[in-house]
Amino acid sequence: NAGVTQTPKFQVLKTGQSMTLQCAQDMNHEYMSWYRQDPGMGLRLIHYSVGAGITDQGEVPNGYNVSRSTTEDFPLRLLSAAPSQTSVYFCASSYSFGLYEKLFFGSGTQLSVL
Amino acid sequence: TQLLEQSPQFLSIQEGENLTVYCNSSSVFSSLQWYRQEPGEGPVLLVTVVTGGEVKKLKRLTFQFGDARKDSSLHITAAQPGDTGLYLCAGAGGAGGTSYGKLTFGQGTILTVHP
Repeated sequence: NAGVTQTPKFQVLKTGQSMTLQCAQDMNHEYMSWYRQDPGMGLRLIHYSVGAGITDQGEVPNGYNVSRSTTEDFPLRLLSAAPSQTSVYFCASSYSFGLYEKLFFGSGTQLSVL
Repeated sequence: TQLLEQSPQFLSIQEGENLTVYCNSSSVFSSLQWYRQEPGEGPVLLVTVVTGGEVKKLKRLTFQFGDARKDSSLHITAAQPGDTGLYLCAGAGGAGGTSYGKLTFGQGTILTVHP
């Protein structure tokens, strides 16, 4: 039972480099989202998607792009990495029934930008 | 922008003690969730509360949603070393019921229970 799979687990980039963080889910969930986690700040929403072809910005979208061509995949692109993007990144997929919503998180990507 | 203030940030206690973690906001949320996160893993949902004044119990954990749906608490009775971890509250504010995966998280509480 894979759930939400994130790759890579660890990544080191130099300032200015670009890269894509991969996220795939096998639960056929409509909603997917990307969060970053920094010490003492909880998780902050970067981008989210309510279905294939539909994405929108979250709280901290600058410097990141997303696309969702299929229900399963929701990659996060760093266009030109900056030290401020050093963080742990979590992808989540979710479903809802009424007011109850359940998010399933991947195990995260730890990114360091030098 | 909705904010959730979680306190305390750190909690270090002995096995058998009780503890409470608080999550407060000036905004109303349609539901409030509590997560637990282990090192190197993503958060895992513990409970969702949706009704003002609601109390839910999960073994030794008791979750409460404030009457005005602006605050919540997590109480652990007789803590055990296995309870050690990061606890996060998260609010969903979607007017239509679902937040589409958009949650507002508190800063988290790092709990350490010593044997």
